[in-house]
Amino acid sequence: DGGITQSPKYLFRKEGQNVTLSCEQNLNHDAMYWYRQDPGQGLRLIYYSQIVNDFQKGDIAEGYSVSREKKESFPLTVTSAQKNPTAFYLCASSMDVNGELFFGEGSRLTVL
Amino acid sequence: GQQLNQSPQSMFIQEGEDVSMNCTSSSIFNTWLWYKQDPGEGPVLLIALYKAGELTSNGRLTAQFGITRKDSFLNISASIPSDVGIYFCAGREISSGTYKYIFGTGTRLKVLA
Repeated sequence: DGGITQSPKYLFRKEGQNVTLSCEQNLNHDAMYWYRQDPGQGLRLIYYSQIVNDFQKGDIAEGYSVSREKKESFPLTVTSAQKNPTAFYLCASSMDVNGELFFGEGSRLTVL
Repeated sequence: GQQLNQSPQSMFIQEGEDVSMNCTSSSIFNTWLWYKQDPGEGPVLLIALYKAGELTSNGRLTAQFGITRKDSFLNISASIPSDVGIYFCAGREISSGTYKYIFGTGTRLKVLA
């Protein structure tokens, strides 16, 4: 089935550790995105990528990094510089920059 | 970043009742999206709107793109228990020059059988 796959579903991290969240899509979409979701808030954009080998910072990029080496993959690294990383992370893709967003099932990161 | 004003924040309704929720913005939007999210899952796209005044249905769901381009409405008719969840709106500004979407804070719907 076509879709967006995020892994892992749940992740625990000790303070000071970097962790990488995986996002893979087989929809042949050009654009991919990472959002952060916190209780009571709307989704906030971390990073986005319009095409392979290109990505741009969103509203809350500090403490995060991404890469886009392949069209279907857009991994997100939560670095130790992110002061409050505990959250639900959502990956999304769209056919192009004007298209609708389709989301993966999310990854919940908890910092111990 | 800017957020949309979505209301109500939560609502309890009886099974079979109709539901209405809306999103408003101070900016003019050229696209409105409506999503449903179940606990611990990613949002699922319900309806997409692209033109002012547009009215689009998806089963028991109907959404409208406000004429002013600053609001959108979602209606659910004859609610059933599986309608429970959080409903989000998302809009894209015309003036931003980008395709970045802004998300509402969600309406939490609970249906009483």
